[in-house]
Amino acid sequence: KNQVEQSPQSLIILEGKNCTLQCNYTVSPFSNLRWYKQDTGRGPVSLTIMTFSENTKSNGRYTATLDADTKQSSLHITASQLSDSASYICVVSEISGTYKYIFGTGTRLKVLA
Amino acid sequence: DGGITQSPKYLFRKEGQNVTLSCEQNLNHDAMYWYRQDPGQGLRLIYYSQIVNDFQKGDIAEGYSVSREKKESFPLTVTSAQKNPTAFYLCASSIEKGAPNYGYTFGSGTRLTVV
Repeated sequence: KNQVEQSPQSLIILEGKNCTLQCNYTVSPFSNLRWYKQDTGRGPVSLTIMTFSENTKSNGRYTATLDADTKQSSLHITASQLSDSASYICVVSEISGTYKYIFGTGTRLKVLA
Repeated sequence: DGGITQSPKYLFRKEGQNVTLSCEQNLNHDAMYWYRQDPGQGLRLIYYSQIVNDFQKGDIAEGYSVSREKKESFPLTVTSAQKNPTAFYLCASSIEKGAPNYGYTFGSGTRLTVV
């Protein structure tokens, strides 16, 4: 069964610190992997999109990495800010004609002052 | 600005009542989707549509219905047959065929509560 698992489930860090979120998947055949940020009560907003041939993708203070061999991805947040407090969702796209998307359950990040 | 708009932001439903959630996009996207989000769970696909006048059931379609009469609009009706409708509902759209790496855009969501 195609699955996407994220860890940790929740994380609390101090403002200015770095953190790394993990995403492991079993989706096959694999098309691409996306990281989204979702503020409470809002829709997810795309941070990065990577195909199997890409190892890393940056968007400001957010850097995503992908190891297609081990089926692992990480999202690294540098110099965290209070506005980074949100849920971060890993989404893996399956090549099945309809580009089915498999969603992880997310990591809830809380940045404290 | 191009985007995807969901309304209302909050919706209350009485027992046995049908309610309709609106989703409109002006991105000229071919595909539209409805997801349900519950605490501690990943988004679950309710219905999706790749072209006008055609739609497919997702993983949890029971108790829901949709229509796609216009490319821009994909309303979701939560029927009385849905026994546990309280959730956060997200609509999304994408350019489906030929551009799998194109951004997948979400609306801002509708929170439905049964009263």
